[in-house]
Amino acid sequence: NAGVTQTPKFRILKIGQSMTLQCAQDMNHNYMYWYRQDPGMGLKLIYYSVGAGITDKGEVPNGYNVSRSTTEDFPLRLELAAPSQTSVYFCASSLAGGEGIQYFGAGTRLSVL
Amino acid sequence: RKEVEQDPGPFNVPEGATVAFNCTYSNSASQSFFWYRQDCRKEPKLLMSVYSSGNEDGRFTAQLNRASQYISLLIRDSKLSDSATYLCVVVGIIAGGTSYGKLTFGQGTILTVHP
Repeated sequence: NAGVTQTPKFRILKIGQSMTLQCAQDMNHNYMYWYRQDPGMGLKLIYYSVGAGITDKGEVPNGYNVSRSTTEDFPLRLELAAPSQTSVYFCASSLAGGEGIQYFGAGTRLSVL
Repeated sequence: RKEVEQDPGPFNVPEGATVAFNCTYSNSASQSFFWYRQDCRKEPKLLMSVYSSGNEDGRFTAQLNRASQYISLLIRDSKLSDSATYLCVVVGIIAGGTSYGKLTFGQGTILTVHP
């Protein structure tokens, strides 16, 4: 029972490099989310999607892009990595929106040096 | 004022102790409330929902006071395995009354239970 799968688990980037964080869920959830968590802080919403083809910005979208071509996948793209993007990134999904419980992936630890 | 505020702790308690965490939220229109648990270097996982009438799940009791915009979590008979960070989570609504499930997280309260 996979749930929400994130890859890679760890990554080190140089300033200015690009990468895509992958997220896939096998629960047929319509809603998917990307969060970042800085040390000692709560999670902050980067982008979210309410279904295939529909995405919108969260609290901290600058420096990131997303796409949602299928229900299962919700990749997060960093175009020009900056040290401020060093963080732990969590992908989550939920069946419903406002009343739904969110299921999280194991996270991707990203360092930008 | 932060949207969701928690006492970051840390709380260090002996096994068997009772410990309580508090959380306040600023948006009176918030709809749903949860406590999530996050183990060190792991993802958050739902611990329990919080209802106006209060709810209990084994050793855990959650309460909501809408008038004071206050949420609490009580853990009785603490176990070593309860050591974790406890995240207060509030779900808001957006214009038009719909919600996309925007969770607002508190910074978390660290609990360490020692022998």
